[in-house]
Amino acid sequence: QSALTQPASVSGSPGQSITISCTGTSSDVGGYNYVSWYQQHPGKAPKLMIYDVSNRPSGVSNRFSGSKSGDTASLIISGLQAEDEADYYCSSYTSSALPYVFGTGTKVTVL
Amino acid sequence: QVQLVQSGAEVKKPGASVKVSCKASGYTFTSYYMHWVRQAPGQGLEWMGQIDPSGGTYYAQKLQGRVTVTRDTSTSTLYMDLSSLRSEDTAVYYCAREGIGATKYFDLWGRGTLVTVSS
Repeated sequence: QSALTQPASVSGSPGQSITISCTGTSSDVGGYNYVSWYQQHPGKAPKLMIYDVSNRPSGVSNRFSGSKSGDTASLIISGLQAEDEADYYCSSYTSSALPYVFGTGTKVTVL
Repeated sequence: QVQLVQSGAEVKKPGASVKVSCKASGYTFTSYYMHWVRQAPGQGLEWMGQIDPSGGTYYAQKLQGRVTVTRDTSTSTLYMDLSSLRSEDTAVYYCAREGIGATKYFDLWGRGTLVTVSS
């Protein structure tokens, strides 16, 4: 089971919107609405930002949103802020022997 | 306070075993799936294994035979044993709670335990 594919880095200026893609296959991203997104600041544990493709947990800013089309899921961060600078990982449930697969990770830089 | 508190950093020699603990508090431990996820230095996240509310376990195929996930329900503590350690096992090991109802996402994470494998 290969990791889901994410861009290595995405950057934007404060106030701008950015999109992080997460590409898998019909056995994972395309086959289930079980895509989640995690934010990880350096030296910290991951934090759930989006679950079930587009749902936000309580306490997560509404500047974060998610979507999916076919085998590709996306995380959109609008109104980019300095505190959004972090690594972001997608994850999906899969039908393979490995029930959960993570993305390769994307470093978000706020210019 | 809902939290997962993990044990401290470990340094092990190749071939040895390590046992990492994760104490849950603030919620009903036995109602949730619990997972272990690791992250090698500068790398991404890797799912390792899980234990379900009834105590059943399931592991990543690549770690089968080396990893064991157990729990002590009397102390709400989760454990991960990894044997036959090799340098590639050097990583931060996280315990994570799955959202209630087998929801397929991880809504609560421990702070991580660094395991270093070095001769």
